[in-house]
Amino acid sequence: AQKVTQAQTEISVVEKEDVTLDCVYETRDTTYYLFWYKQPPSGELVFLIRRNSFDEQNEISGRYSWNFQKSTSSFNFTITASQVVDSAVYFCALSEKDQFYFGTGTSLTVIP
Amino acid sequence: DAMVIQNPRYQVTQFGKPVTLSCSQTLNHNVMYWYQQKSSQAPKLLFHYYDKDFNNEADTPDNFQSRRPNTSFCFLDIRSPGLGDAAMYLCATSRVQGYQPQHFGDGTRLSIL
Repeated sequence: AQKVTQAQTEISVVEKEDVTLDCVYETRDTTYYLFWYKQPPSGELVFLIRRNSFDEQNEISGRYSWNFQKSTSSFNFTITASQVVDSAVYFCALSEKDQFYFGTGTSLTVIP
Repeated sequence: DAMVIQNPRYQVTQFGKPVTLSCSQTLNHNVMYWYQQKSSQAPKLLFHYYDKDFNNEADTPDNFQSRRPNTSFCFLDIRSPGLGDAAMYLCATSRVQGYQPQHFGDGTRLSIL
């Protein structure tokens, strides 16, 4: 069974539109961490955020915001007023103890 | 700046010719990981070192080996590359294993002729 599901394989938006990337996870652990990474065309994986299972507060960082809902096992990522530089593949990940699971990624294209 | 550095950025080798990819880190992290990432797929963990302890994933082919001579360096050796080994290889580090963000290098894109 997939531990982390990113149902959106590809998304295209026009610049300045808002876009939400979905992430659903599966775990039986009470302690776990969730992450988002960005992988631009150049290839490196850039760490964006880590959230632990006990902290359901939403977080905002500039144009980025994250919505963590344990009730639906979701950790969604919203980019407000998207820009061309946001074009990348975005991976959601789950860490249980010493295991780390990536989702399959969502490829975001922002059209100028 | 503290970082994870992978060399080379692009590597071309011939079918069956051994190749070594290198990774170094200035973060002084205890754990170093090697991932294989094929086009449009998530990174797949090959193995990792926790200090000097080597941990191989069950489905990592024997063709792939790794060495970690010291805290800062880790190498990925592919003994006899096949066409299916063409991929991006990502090195990552974390302070400890579990719950910690992994910090990635820029990757080495390996092509097989």
